[in-house]
Amino acid sequence: EAQVTQNPRYLITVTGKKLTVTCSQNMNHEYMSWYRQDPGLGLRQIYYSMNVEVTDKGDVPEGYKVSRKEKRNFPLILESPSPNQTSLYFCASRMGAGLYEQYFGPGTRLTVT
Amino acid sequence: DAKTTQPNSMESNEEEPVHLPCNHSTISGTDYIHWYRQLPSQGPEYVIHGLTSNVNNRMASLAIAEDRKSSTLILHRATLRDAAVYYCTTTRTGGTSYGKLTFGQGTILTVHP
Repeated sequence: EAQVTQNPRYLITVTGKKLTVTCSQNMNHEYMSWYRQDPGLGLRQIYYSMNVEVTDKGDVPEGYKVSRKEKRNFPLILESPSPNQTSLYFCASRMGAGLYEQYFGPGTRLTVT
Repeated sequence: DAKTTQPNSMESNEEEPVHLPCNHSTISGTDYIHWYRQLPSQGPEYVIHGLTSNVNNRMASLAIAEDRKSSTLILHRATLRDAAVYYCTTTRTGGTSYGKLTFGQGTILTVHP
């Protein structure tokens, strides 16, 4: 089954404790993205990657890191999480840009205390 | 990336058609129009996309204005399972913001039995 998977689905952590949210897709997609969703602010793009070793900042990249060493994986790293990073996070992938549909993962609900 | 404007909410009765409008007056000539929806407690899912011509798929139809400054997502017979937040977005196929999907607040669709 074609899908985007994220782990963990739920995470409660403390301020400053480094964490990684994994994202994997099995569709051989080139383009992958991370979004955060907050009430009243909608979905905002954090980082995106157009291919292996090619990443760029989205609208809200501060406090986040990403890497794209393999085509299928695009982990999101929070080196020193803070409470304002409490949010619902979605990973997404698509074959390319523009005319291709985007597939979203199920989401990771992160709480930073 | 073009800014999109959608009504905050709409209501429909089951088995009736629903027309969800979207304005994207700053769209450029090579931008694709995409629609996604987000069911409660799920990640967004792709609905339909198009460039200039009207498009149909198993989920919906997309009617694009001749000047491309607006579009309408048509659900031909709404069901209770269509109750969701519907997002209209545009995406570049080249240049700056290549491939980026910018999500607005979306339209909350309520379907009454």
